[in-house]
Amino acid sequence: NAGVTQTPKFRILKIGQSMTLQCTQDMNHNYMYWYRQDPGMGLKLIYYSVGAGITDKGEVPNGYNVSRSTTEDFPLRLELAAPSQTSVYFCASSYPRQATNEKLFFGSGTQLSVL
Amino acid sequence: SQKIEQNSEALNIQEGKTATLTCNYTNYSPAYLQWYRQDPGRGPVFLLLIRENEKEKRKERLKVTFDTTLKQSLFHITASQPADSATYLCVLGTDSWGKFQFGAGTQVVVTP
Repeated sequence: NAGVTQTPKFRILKIGQSMTLQCTQDMNHNYMYWYRQDPGMGLKLIYYSVGAGITDKGEVPNGYNVSRSTTEDFPLRLELAAPSQTSVYFCASSYPRQATNEKLFFGSGTQLSVL
Repeated sequence: SQKIEQNSEALNIQEGKTATLTCNYTNYSPAYLQWYRQDPGRGPVFLLLIRENEKEKRKERLKVTFDTTLKQSLFHITASQPADSATYLCVLGTDSWGKFQFGAGTQVVVTP
């Protein structure tokens, strides 16, 4: 199984540009997440989805948008990129049998620089 | 405010010794705690989960303890190997779906 696949691996954007980070999983997981990881900080939740057609904001949603049209795909859209969005982005998924047994499966990340 | 603290300084350890990492938290009542391993340029990988009513969990050379009174978890790597060199993340979870709090991680460097 491929697990969670993210593309691209690296990207440089100019201020004001837009882009979509792609994420797909082949484990039939209901839950999917987008996190950002900044140096010296714990991962911060941007958006999450509990199933196709359902999304919700996390801790740091400003400047981002998501959609979930299928179980497999959960793209993250950056509109009007700003230097503060320079970070490493991780997509994750989970299929918890119960809330106290929820393990996350992560993609390999997208390193984004906004200059 | 909720806070999770892991040693920010790298832990340098000689091969064969036991590495012990600490995760402390405040203003939080986790239902469970997880440890993940992260290699450079890769996403975190799940290692162990321990619930609030469990004191200790083991998996091969790994051992996790969870003390809800001290609000602390200890993560041990016994008989450490250079391949254990990585950053280890402490993650707190609640009984609500998808609600996690991540520590910043501690880097472990195992030298031969």
